[in-house]
Amino acid sequence: DQQVKQNSPSLSVQEGRISILNCDYTNSMFDYFLWYKKYPAEGPTFLISISSIKDKNEDGRFTVFLNKSAKHLSLHIVPSQPGDSAVYFCAASEGAGSYQLTFGKGTKLSVIP
Amino acid sequence: DVKVTQSSRYLVKRTGEKVFLECVQDMDHENMFWYRQDPGLGLRLIYFSYDVKMKEKGDIPEGYSVSREKKERFSLILESASTNQTSMYLCASMGSGNEQFFGPGTRLTVL
Repeated sequence: DQQVKQNSPSLSVQEGRISILNCDYTNSMFDYFLWYKKYPAEGPTFLISISSIKDKNEDGRFTVFLNKSAKHLSLHIVPSQPGDSAVYFCAASEGAGSYQLTFGKGTKLSVIP
Repeated sequence: DVKVTQSSRYLVKRTGEKVFLECVQDMDHENMFWYRQDPGLGLRLIYFSYDVKMKEKGDIPEGYSVSREKKERFSLILESASTNQTSMYLCASMGSGNEQFFGPGTRLTVL
């Protein structure tokens, strides 16, 4: 049973517009969430994270929103750039002392110039 | 900067061969992980290790084993490679935080 779901396998956005990538989770024990970005033939790189004590975290063009009651998080990229075209993975962990991350299946973002 | 390196970027092996994938990290992290990534399936955890000589099964350990003789090195072993093990293999390490740092990956093809 998938505990972290990214229901959109792909997303296309015009350059300069907002990209919104969504992620849902089912495990109520998850309390730390991360987004990773992956280019083809490279390993994933960490992008941004959020703890369950917050509902928003910003880093430059990237903002992650967490809605704990809905068990939903989203990554906003504003403005989108062609270099943002990659696969984005949502991941979750059960917090302090937990070694494991549970990953979603990923969403492929294409930013069209 | 954390550096995670993997011994090969591309590897081609034949069915039945024994395959070793090596991973080295330079940040003195206790925790190391092996994943495989397949289209439409995301990243799936094969094995992880939280200390030297310690290992735990992940979600898909069948057909794989691991070795952690030194803190900086974590090896994934395919005892008898099969075609369904053709995949991208990713190694990661993690320190005291929740962020995992990934290597560049090894694209393994089993013929």
